[in-house]
Amino acid sequence: EIVLTQSPATLSLSPGERATLSCRASQSVSTYLAWYQQKPGQAPRLLIYDASNRATGIPARFSGSGSGTDFTLTISSLEPGDFAIYYCQQHTTWPPGATFGQGTKVEIK
Amino acid sequence: EVQLLESGGGLEQPGGSLRLSCAASGFTFSHYAMSWVRQAPGKGLEWVSGISGSGGTTYYADSVKGRFTISRDNSKNTLYLQMISLRAEDSALYYCAKDPIAEGAVGYFDPWGQGTLVTVSS
Repeated sequence: EIVLTQSPATLSLSPGERATLSCRASQSVSTYLAWYQQKPGQAPRLLIYDASNRATGIPARFSGSGSGTDFTLTISSLEPGDFAIYYCQQHTTWPPGATFGQGTKVEIK
Repeated sequence: EVQLLESGGGLEQPGGSLRLSCAASGFTFSHYAMSWVRQAPGKGLEWVSGISGSGGTTYYADSVKGRFTISRDNSKNTLYLQMISLRAEDSALYYCAKDPIAEGAVGYFDPWGQGTLVTVSS
């Protein structure tokens, strides 16, 4: 099973700052990696797919990069609504399965 | 607008059964693979099961294989998850989620429903 490790667990930043979130896979997933945002009490929302493609309606301040085992989600300038938990997910083993990282919480400093 | 509305959650005793439903609208349901993903309280996300658009192919996480059955009724635009032999560790918010690509299955999910809560406790 491919394990995804996200770091840091918590990122404390102020609005306007740049956020850099990391996701490392235990083996190569090529570019079959997605990122989701989850706010309290809400379902996850797809942000990025195939490592670097923004989903429909996602603002340009969100960008994804990486391939193989190391991936990054960057939020160029944090807005108040961006404080949330972010999950990465690999789908290189799909079908049959998909696995998620444990999440990174971006909180207001 | 795509909408996914889950129902059927509740409190069940260990060893019991529940059937979850996900009513879909706003897209041609039969053209898209669907999945169930769960989230235990305060925890991360775990993919549970997936099904092809036709319903002919199904997939399960090892943690639920043999206990959960995914199915769909394309005439009713509804996805199901039949859960038996429930365990305390099955307690979670269960989301249904749509594969974003028609006539295929890419294995990421967009959008998600709001979830239905399953609690397994005596």
